[in-house]
Amino acid sequence: AQSVTQLGSHVSVSEGALVLLRCNYSSSVPPYLFWYVQYPNQGLQLLLKYTSAATLVKGINGFEAEFKKSETSFHLTKPSAHMSDAAEYFCAVSHSPGGSYIPTFGRGTSLIVHP
Amino acid sequence: DAGVTQSPTHLIKTRGQHVTLRCSPISGHKSVSWYQQVLGQGPQFIFQYYEKEERGRGNFPDRFSARQFPNYSSELNVNALLLGDSALYLCASSLDGGYSNQPQHFGDGTRLSIL
Repeated sequence: AQSVTQLGSHVSVSEGALVLLRCNYSSSVPPYLFWYVQYPNQGLQLLLKYTSAATLVKGINGFEAEFKKSETSFHLTKPSAHMSDAAEYFCAVSHSPGGSYIPTFGRGTSLIVHP
Repeated sequence: DAGVTQSPTHLIKTRGQHVTLRCSPISGHKSVSWYQQVLGQGPQFIFQYYEKEERGRGNFPDRFSARQFPNYSSELNVNALLLGDSALYLCASSLDGGYSNQPQHFGDGTRLSIL
């Protein structure tokens, strides 16, 4: 079985400050990991994905995430928050039971950016 | 190029009714997945279809069904609607049904409200 835990339903930062959104996963096999962003009244947009090629993954909009197997973590970071980063962020893990990759999503973390 | 399109964008139904939601994938994508996103939670997997065949099914009752057409578009049907079915229903498409773990591309969803 696979699962994702996102620590903190809400994270509040000031504009220009470091963004850190936490994600821990549980998977019985090497996982594929994703971060998605969801703006109000929209679907999910892929930020980045980890597929075992490199532990530090760079994504769109200046975000990156580091895969740490020993900690079963895949935290999302951005050096400097922008007002436009305010959104809901979802971490997801997937593997392939029976040949088809189906992701399991975390509950999400709402990022609030203060001016 | 057009992204994943879903219709309708909003829908209001009463308990006991039936609903059909529609999804058109990105051109060239052969796989469609459906998710239910209850307010304040992450998406929950319902179905995945690839080349018109069901590839995966989540933990949802038999009131939920889906199909994929020769042009790869898809319908999600829900019978005997319950208040708890109120949610955002997301459709996602991908190239190959998850065999290479290609990321999914999401539509903006259908907001279903049950009165």
